[in-house]
Amino acid sequence: NAGVTQTPKFRILKIGQSMTLQCAQDMNHNYMYWYRQDPGMGLKLIYYSVGAGITDKGEVPNGYNVSRSTTEDFPLRLELAAPSQTSVYFCASDRGSYNEQFFGPGTRLTVL
Amino acid sequence: ELKVEQNPLFLSMQEGKNYTIYCNYSTTSDRLYWYRQDPGKSLESLFVLLSNGAVKQEGRLMASLDTKARLSTLHITAAVHDLSATYFCAVDPLSYNNNDMRFGAGTRLTVKP
Repeated sequence: NAGVTQTPKFRILKIGQSMTLQCAQDMNHNYMYWYRQDPGMGLKLIYYSVGAGITDKGEVPNGYNVSRSTTEDFPLRLELAAPSQTSVYFCASDRGSYNEQFFGPGTRLTVL
Repeated sequence: ELKVEQNPLFLSMQEGKNYTIYCNYSTTSDRLYWYRQDPGKSLESLFVLLSNGAVKQEGRLMASLDTKARLSTLHITAAVHDLSATYFCAVDPLSYNNNDMRFGAGTRLTVKP
């Protein structure tokens, strides 16, 4: 199993540009999450999904959108990138509450 | 609002010594997780604690949960250099929005020879 995969690994955006961060998992997990980690800080939840077609906001959803059309994929869309969105983005998945999360390798995004 | 506080945030210790990292949280929960992150890497699950009094051990690390005190501890026994990393606790609150995991800021551990 590849586990949780993320693409790209690195990206530099100009202010106002848009992009989609890709996330996929092959563990048949229903629950998937997007976090951001700012330097020297913990993770903050952006959006999560409990199954295909179901998404919900986390702690810091502004400036982001998600979709979940399949169990495997959970892309994160940034519209009108801003310098405040410079961060490392982690995707994670699990079998549901009471279970550990499995994290992808992360995407390092810089907005200039 | 759920707050998760870890202390210390930075910890430098010598090999062979013992120390404890604390994780306090502000709302009712019986689901607490510990993760490890090496520099520039992703997070790796260490422990899942799901009830009051839960204790789990793996090698030189032992984690416990006291839901009444809203406190979890991560105890390090006879530290070795390989334990150098950042350790995060994360709390899953008992609420309708029960997948809104909150992470502490992390404890950056450096073990020196």
